[in-house]
Amino acid sequence: GQQVMQIPQYQHVQEGEDFTTYCNSSTTLSNIQWYKQRPGGHPVFLIQLVKSGEVKKQKRLTFQFGEAKKNSSLHITATQTTDVGTYFCAGPVEYGNKLVFGAGTILRVKS
Amino acid sequence: DGGITQSPKYLFRKEGQNVTLSCEQNLNHDAMYWYRQDPGQGLRLIYYSQIVNDFQKGDIAEGYSVSREKKESFPLTVTSAQKNPTAFYLCASSLSSGRRGYEQYFGPGTRLTVT
Repeated sequence: GQQVMQIPQYQHVQEGEDFTTYCNSSTTLSNIQWYKQRPGGHPVFLIQLVKSGEVKKQKRLTFQFGEAKKNSSLHITATQTTDVGTYFCAGPVEYGNKLVFGAGTILRVKS
Repeated sequence: DGGITQSPKYLFRKEGQNVTLSCEQNLNHDAMYWYRQDPGQGLRLIYYSQIVNDFQKGDIAEGYSVSREKKESFPLTVTSAQKNPTAFYLCASSLSSGRRGYEQYFGPGTRLTVT
């Protein structure tokens, strides 16, 4: 079935370093979404990308959607301790209204 | 103040007991979802509902049951048949008509511990 793979599984960075997580789908996606889950919290929707090659920025976060609409990335510039958490990507299934979530990338930031 | 509420935040039960987790939303969303999350793991879909009085099994429905009698409510029952019920349970909702793959809004979750 449709799968969304996310790497790395875990990353520990020094505060101020950059961080990137990558998402790859087994099928072409109509859109890709990113969520953040703080430790002990619940996933919170960050952004949705729809167009091939789209790039969106939210302050230090840069989101990209691949030209083939099968991959995406989230890049954080100069990480801060407030960035800690798990970042999930998700894409809609081919039929129906469900989302397929990646397994998430756990980000830890050492100050 | 719109949002999704789940109660209780923490729930403790003895093995062999059924337990029902509450999920309510006032976002006027048609679609609602239940996910299970184990420590350090991703989200696994248990059940979802796109409209009142209709619901479908997700990837791990065995040992769970749901109902959708009202648009704003989607309770999940963890039955005694669920072999490993201790987990973090998340409810979510979204729009559902017009296109596929609307963003989902999550409740704060219920941490269920069964001993």
